[in-house]
Amino acid sequence: EAQVTQNPRYLITVTGKKLTVTCSQNMNHEYMSWYRQDPGLGLRQIYYSMNVEVTDKGDVPEGYKVSRKEKRNFPLILESPSPNQTSLYFCASRVFGTDTQYFGPGTRLTVL
Amino acid sequence: RKEVEQDPGPFNVPEGATVAFNCTYSNSASQSFFWYRQDCRKEPKLLMSVYSSGNEDGRFTAQLNRASQYISLLIRDSKLSDSATYLCVVSYNNNDMRFGAGTRLTVKP
Repeated sequence: EAQVTQNPRYLITVTGKKLTVTCSQNMNHEYMSWYRQDPGLGLRQIYYSMNVEVTDKGDVPEGYKVSRKEKRNFPLILESPSPNQTSLYFCASRVFGTDTQYFGPGTRLTVL
Repeated sequence: RKEVEQDPGPFNVPEGATVAFNCTYSNSASQSFFWYRQDCRKEPKLLMSVYSSGNEDGRFTAQLNRASQYISLLIRDSKLSDSATYLCVVSYNNNDMRFGAGTRLTVKP
């Protein structure tokens, strides 16, 4: 089944404790991205990647890192999480040059 | 001003009603337009693309007005299963997709 998976789905952590949210897709998509969704603000792009070893900042990259060592995986790293990073995070992928995005199921992160 | 603006709702309608959502966008260079549906606590899923000539998919009709920079979605004969948040999405290059905050629809028996 074609899909985007994320782990963990739910995470409660404390300020400053490094964490990684994994994202994996099995559709051989070149383009992957991370979004955060907050009430009243819609989805905002954090980082995106157009292919292996190619990543770039989106609209709200501060406090986040990503890597793209393999085509299928695009982890999101929070080196020192803060409470303002409490949000719902979505990973997405698509064929580069097309517009239809496939989203993962989301990760609800709470930073205390 | 947000790049993509939607009326947040909520829209509460009875089954069988016709309901319309509008969305405005600020970037005149926008090239592609979409409506996504998001169920509570779930991921967004593509509902339909929006073309300049307007397009229809069953009970759903989407229209684009480039001159006025707005997009609309019309749902006819609403079903309980249509209850969701509808996201307006605008893209102006291969990297950049902008999402509205969504319009919440509740269809009641």
